[in-house]
Amino acid sequence: GAGVSQSPSNKVTEKGKDVELRCDPISGHTALYWYRQSLGQGLEFLIYFQGNSAPDKSGLPSDRFSAERTGGSVSTLTIQRTQQEDSAVYLCASSLLAGNTDTQYFGPGTRLTVL
Amino acid sequence: AQSVTQPDIHITVSEGASLELRCNYSYGATPYLFWYVQSPGQGLQLLLKYFSGDTLVQGIKGFEAEFKRSQSSFNLRKPSVHWSDAAEYFCAVGRQYGNQFYFGTGTSLTVIP
Repeated sequence: GAGVSQSPSNKVTEKGKDVELRCDPISGHTALYWYRQSLGQGLEFLIYFQGNSAPDKSGLPSDRFSAERTGGSVSTLTIQRTQQEDSAVYLCASSLLAGNTDTQYFGPGTRLTVL
Repeated sequence: AQSVTQPDIHITVSEGASLELRCNYSYGATPYLFWYVQSPGQGLQLLLKYFSGDTLVQGIKGFEAEFKRSQSSFNLRKPSVHWSDAAEYFCAVGRQYGNQFYFGTGTSLTVIP
């Protein structure tokens, strides 16, 4: 079956522009996570969606970052007025169940470069 | 605050040699512990996880990890490394109640013939 997919795989943008990153989780998975992986850094939690519950946005680094998940499936991470420090690989993961006991399945990531 | 430390940024081992990757965590309660592997061009894949019970956990690809509460460690081991094991390895900790995962900075493994 299909795994988690993300698009685009690479995105180059100019400082100050807005970008949208898309994540298609595994069908039927109720939980969805966004992470950021910067060069030389571990994965940084950004946001978590679980069903129809309010998302956990505690990891978003600034108000320029937002995310939504439509219909409990596809999710879009939006970065407004991009800065050079936003350059990173953005990873999406989904899991069948909520909470920290279930296995997260990761997508291949979107590499964002802000010039 | 929760945190995960992987002291070794990069490790090089010969094919067939044994491997141990270190992971230390900081967490006040019972942690949920994970090891993930990220191969070049691939997404992260779960190797193994520990929630409770037997402190020695078996995973895929011949990996195992041992939870040592007294040392706050969850080291990953493999008795004989294969060239295909060359990758980036991440240790992660999750809270028993909550959504967030905390990842270490990763250990890059090189396998030489």
